Amino acid sequence: QVQLEQSGAEVKKPGASVIVSCRASGYPFTNYYIHWVRQAPGQGLEWMGRINPNNGARNYAQTFEGRVTLTRDTAIHTVYMELTNLRSDDTAVYYCARVVIALDDCDVWGQGTMVTVSS
Amino acid sequence: SYELTQPLSVSVALGQTATITCGGDNIGRKNVQWYQQKPGQAPSLVVYKTYNRPSGIPERFSGSTSGNTATLTISRTQAGDEADYYCQVWDSSTVFGGGTKLTV
Repeated sequence: QVQLEQSGAEVKKPGASVIVSCRASGYPFTNYYIHWVRQAPGQGLEWMGRINPNNGARNYAQTFEGRVTLTRDTAIHTVYMELTNLRSDDTAVYYCARVVIALDDCDVWGQGTMVTVSS
Repeated sequence: SYELTQPLSVSVALGQTATITCGGDNIGRKNVQWYQQKPGQAPSLVVYKTYNRPSGIPERFSGSTSGNTATLTISRTQAGDEADYYCQVWDSSTVFGGGTKLTV
């Protein structure tokens, strides 16, 4: 079945970087954007960026420009989200979600990855 | 940057109709999505392209827009509908509303 499987929880110190992976299965990998959305504890959803697995084109939210990088490995149907220079307020659950290219809706979501930033 | 405004909370009696609004400039001209999120779970899509329901979503969930407001209507509300609801549009980037907690 259609699935996005994310890597496990991470604990990082301030200033470090984290990489979260998102492996897609059950559908044509290159037909859907992969978006990244995060949710701080008790807070709402915050969009971080998206990548087109077909050509690698990326868009980032202004808030994260310069700190987030999305990459993909088409051979293993996996997208990676790297967030650098971590701060305590980056503590959140990070989700990947797929969106049909040329549309807007996130119809399948990963299970989420908890990233904790603490000294 | 584009902003979407939702009420923090909405309360509804069991079996009644819940209405959750999402305000944004000329939102009627955009495709609006609605997501349901229950505690400890990832969000799930309940309405896309303003009016459409993914397969498996009951007809009790419906979306509409008028002017600067999009609305998610849940009729014959059940206890299992209690959740946070988020609206979302694309405006050069993906934008989410702040979320509404629905209490049944």
